[in-house]
Parts: sequence; C-alpha cells; structure tokens
Amino acid sequence: QQQVKQSPQSLIVQKGGISIINCAYENTAFDYFPWYQQFPGKGPALLIAIRPDVSEKKEGRFTISFNKSAKQFSLHIMDSQPGDSATYFCAASMEWDDKIIFGKGTRLHILP
Amino acid sequence: EAGVVQSPRYKIIEKKQPVAFWCNPISGHNTLYWYRQNLGQGPELLIRYENEEAVDDSQLPKDRFSAERLKGVDSTLKIQPAELGDSAVYLCASTIGAEAFFGQGTRLTVV
Repeated sequence: QQQVKQSPQSLIVQKGGISIINCAYENTAFDYFPWYQQFPGKGPALLIAIRPDVSEKKEGRFTISFNKSAKQFSLHIMDSQPGDSATYFCAASMEWDDKIIFGKGTRLHILP
Repeated sequence: EAGVVQSPRYKIIEKKQPVAFWCNPISGHNTLYWYRQNLGQGPELLIRYENEEAVDDSQLPKDRFSAERLKGVDSTLKIQPAELGDSAVYLCASTIGAEAFFGQGTRLTVV
C-alpha cells in the first residue's frame, strides 16, 4: 500500500514532442504528489508538485494531471527539449508523516 | 544559500571494511533523511530524523548500519562491515515543509 508504481521505465521522444510519464498509488492517505528530476551524478531536484484538491497544475512546459478517483497522476512535458533528458521520479507523501515514497523512475531521452 | 552538502562524493572500499558518510543539511531544516539509491532505481528511505531524534529507522539494516545526528544539524551514516550489496548511491536530503532538497550523494563501491 506504500508503493508508487511508475511507468514507463524508459522513454524516447523526439525534440518538440510531448513526454508523458504515469504513476499510480494505492494509499488514499497520500496528499502530496511531487515529481523529481535527476541528472547523472546529481541528487533528485523537485520539478513540480500537486495536492489532490486540484486536477491539474502547470508550470511552464511541465504539467501534472491528477485523477483522484483512479489514484493516478501523470507528468506531461510539452515541447520536449534535449536538456529535459534525465530520470524522472514520481513520489507521494502524507502531511502527517514526511516520509516520501518514490517510484522507480523513468529514464527520458529526447532526440535532438 | 548553500544546498545540502555531502562528502565524500565517491568511496571505494573492500568488503568487510567500515565506511562513513557525512551530510550537512540546509540551515534551518529540521528534518533530515538518508536514502539509498541502487542503479536504475528510485531512492529508498533508510532513516529520517526530526532534529536529533530518529523518528523512522524501520528500513535501516541495524546489524551493520548506524546513523547519528548530533545537535540536530550534521549527520553521519556508517556501515560496518560493508558488503558487496551495499554498493549504491547514498543520498542525504533535508526538508522545509513538503519539499525535499537532496545532496549530490555519495557513490559507494564495495569490491
């Protein structure tokens, strides 16, 4: 119940295309859903996050779509650029417990 | 503002040897985490501190791993003795609210 399942494991997208990464969770007590971006040799860095009271959040080219009833959320990267090539992790946590549960990650490669 | 600082960046040791990692969190961040990240996997929590108190160490292999956070600031994670399967990146993170800030990690190779 503490798992966050992420797919796909790897993704190749043409420059200018839309990258979509999906995550699903079981525990309905989760109330904070961040996405982290990790470049080789670096620690993960927060990219964008959403709480379940909204269905979508957009920041620049990055959008989170959240489906509370399906217990799923996804990251959309519009106009994908080679600099977006990285590993992306979805995560979930509960306000009363700061433990962050990470998905296994998606390695994204944007073709120039 | 300095981010989370970890040292060393890389460490190669022989199995059965001890090793220690050090973390300096962002100033004012009371919550500190140690994660282990295996190749191609997401970070997995080892231990979480609130100030100097370990509030979640359920995933820490206590037979060989130990951690401390003296004075509620810097933290060290120790492995003794190290095993081949301990090869991974060890990440430290600190939080303000819900957002976690990660250090660059220590890549441990046990040979």
